Amino acid sequence: SQQGEEDPQALSIQEGENATMNCSYKTSINNLQWYRQNSGRGLVHLILIRSNEREKHSGRLRVTLDTSKKSSSLLITASRAADTASYFCATDDSGTYKYIFGTGTRLKVLA
Amino acid sequence: NAGVTQTPKFQVLKTGQSMTLQCAQDMNHNSMYWYRQDPGMGLRLIYYSASEGTTDKGEVPNGYNVSRLNKREFSLRLESAAPSQTSVYFCASRRGANTEAFFGQGTRLTVV
Repeated sequence: SQQGEEDPQALSIQEGENATMNCSYKTSINNLQWYRQNSGRGLVHLILIRSNEREKHSGRLRVTLDTSKKSSSLLITASRAADTASYFCATDDSGTYKYIFGTGTRLKVLA
Repeated sequence: NAGVTQTPKFQVLKTGQSMTLQCAQDMNHNSMYWYRQDPGMGLRLIYYSASEGTTDKGEVPNGYNVSRLNKREFSLRLESAAPSQTSVYFCASRRGANTEAFFGQGTRLTVV
């Protein structure tokens, strides 16, 4: 089964609105990472949050991590049409080099 | 700087045929990974290599084999292709655990 489950599976918003997507995971982690994928292309790394961090910002991205609930959220503020993509969380399976991705959220930003 | 290069980009196979997907990285990364992505789905880990000389099974290894040829190259082999292996295959590499991964552009494989 997938280490990370994300919700919603799909999200459609208007340009300028904020988009929030969530990721839940199952094992202990050292960090959690978020990636973006444009239309079937390779994934691109967005941000990494360590297990001892609760919140991290990068430009219009805000990531939170709640290790007690084994969950993370990615907030994209003031969304643009160019943010249309799929977003995935990824974690290192505890104690191994396994690198597992979540099921992803497909975001569509309408101009 | 090419990053992660996958070949071929597209491939059509007949059921039962074999083929090898190639992946090479030029970032001196220790760890390499093979994933498959089915339409509208997330990435599922097939095999990975934590470092040169080691390989391990991921979530969906059945029907596949891998070879870590050297530090740069990690190949994925389908011995007897099946229609269920129709997918997009991604190779990724990273310096090690707890670091970001870099992805190739994918190989679109169709098995008929």
